[in-house]
Amino acid sequence: EPEVTQTPSHQVTQMGQEVILRCVPISNHLYFYWYRQILGQKVEFLVSFYNNEISEKSEIFDDRFSVERPDGSNFTLKIRSTKLEDSAMYFCASSEWDLSKYNEQFFGPGTRLTVL
Amino acid sequence: RKEVEQDPGPFNVPEGATVAFNCTYSNSASQSFFWYRQDCRKEPKLLMSVYSSGNEDGRFTAQLNRASQYISLLIRDSKLSDSATYLCVVKEGLGAGNNRKLIWGLGTSLAVNP
Repeated sequence: EPEVTQTPSHQVTQMGQEVILRCVPISNHLYFYWYRQILGQKVEFLVSFYNNEISEKSEIFDDRFSVERPDGSNFTLKIRSTKLEDSAMYFCASSEWDLSKYNEQFFGPGTRLTVL
Repeated sequence: RKEVEQDPGPFNVPEGATVAFNCTYSNSASQSFFWYRQDCRKEPKLLMSVYSSGNEDGRFTAQLNRASQYISLLIRDSKLSDSATYLCVVKEGLGAGNNRKLIWGLGTSLAVNP
C-alpha cells in the first residue's frame, strides 16, 4: 500500500540553526500539507501546497518557514533560525485529486524536531 | 470558544464495553467531518468520515448533528486494540475541498482494559 514517508525520524538542532524536514508524498497525489503537534497538544495546520505554490498557511507559518517541492517526489519544510518553541512532531500529509469533500489526507510517520 | 472541542478523557473501559465520544465545533460553515485515531507518538490515521445521515463501519458508528454542531463516535464491543487517542477533525469550506486544512480537536484518550 502506498504511504507517505518522512526523514529524518528525529532531528536535534541548536536554537538559531536551520533545519530541513523531508517528505515523500504518495506518488499520484497532488496536494501536500505540513502539520505539527507539540507534545500533549492538538495537531495544528501549518501549510498546504498545490501546483508548486502555497494554497493556504496558518499564523504559525511565519517568515522563518518555507516549503519547496524541489523535484517530482520530495516535499520539504525548512525552518530558519529555529526557536525552542519549534520543538514538535511535524507531520507531512498528501491527498489526491478528488472533488469529494471527504477526500482523505494521508499522513507520514512524522519527524520529531527537538530544538535545544 | 475552541474551534473543535472534545472531552480529553481518559476513558477507561473493560473489554466488550460500549463507549461514546463527543465533539463540538464552532464554525457552522464546516463542511466535512472525520474521526482519526492516533496511537502514542504515531501519526493520525483516518478512522472514518462522518456523513450527514450518520454512518457505521463494523463496531464504529459516527453521527453528525449540524444544528447542534455536534459529532459523536460510538465504539461497541471494545477491544484492547482500540486503546488510542480519538481525534475529532473538521474541514471547512467547499469547492476544491482537497486543499482545505484540517482543524483538530485535542483528542479523547481511550484505554480498554482486560
